[in-house]
Amino acid sequence: DAGVIQSPRHEVTEMGQEVTLRCKPISGHNSLFWYRQTMMRGLELLIYFNNNVPIDDSGMPEDRFSAKMPNASFSTLKIQPSEPRDSAVYFCASSLQMGRFFGPGTRLTVL
Amino acid sequence: GESVGLHLPTLSVQEGDNSIINCAYSNSASDYFIWYKQESGKGPQFIIDIRSNMDKRQGQRVTVLLNKTVKHLSLQIAATQPGDSAVYFCAERSTGNQFYFGTGTSLTVIP
Repeated sequence: DAGVIQSPRHEVTEMGQEVTLRCKPISGHNSLFWYRQTMMRGLELLIYFNNNVPIDDSGMPEDRFSAKMPNASFSTLKIQPSEPRDSAVYFCASSLQMGRFFGPGTRLTVL
Repeated sequence: GESVGLHLPTLSVQEGDNSIINCAYSNSASDYFIWYKQESGKGPQFIIDIRSNMDKRQGQRVTVLLNKTVKHLSLQIAATQPGDSAVYFCAERSTGNQFYFGTGTSLTVIP
C-alpha cells in the first residue's frame, strides 16, 4: 500500500505564478480532501470530493484557488496567481468510510 | 461553530515515563474521534480512533479515553520513547462527515 502520494514535495515560486499541486489517493478510497497547514491556523480544510464530485469547497480561500478530480485516482489543487500569503504546507488526504489518511504534503513557498 | 482545543500546547516527559495528552471538544453530536501524530516534515499519521459508543480503546502502547459527559478526549502513551516526540492532534467527526482538528500538542521526550 503506497499511501497517499503528493507531488511535488517542495515548491518555491514567485508571486503571480501559477502553482499546481497533485495528489493520488489510496486506491479504493472514495473521498479526497485538500488541507492547508500553517503555524497560525493549523490544519484547515479547503475542499473535499466524494466519488470525484466536489462536495464542500467553502474552505477555499479565494477564487485564485481551484481544485479538480478528473478521476478516482488523481486530483489537483491550483493557485493562480499565487501570493506570498499562500505559503504553507498543503496536504491531501483520502478515506473510504472513517478517518483520514494523509499524504506527506507539499511545502509551498511563494516569494 | 465547533471547536477542538488542547489544554496543553507543549509537553515534556522523561523517556520511559507515561505521557498524557488532552483534548476538549465542543460538539456533543460528534460520533468519532481520531488521534494523529505529526513528525517534523511529515503528514499527520493515524494513531488510534474511538467511536462515541466507547469510552476506552487500547492500541500498542497507546490508549484513548473518551469522556462524553465533559466532552474530553485523552491520549495516553506508555513508556514514552524518543521516537514519540512529535505534535499530536485530536480530531472529531461532526455532522456531514466533517472533521475538525485541534491545534496540536508538541510532545518532547527527554532521553
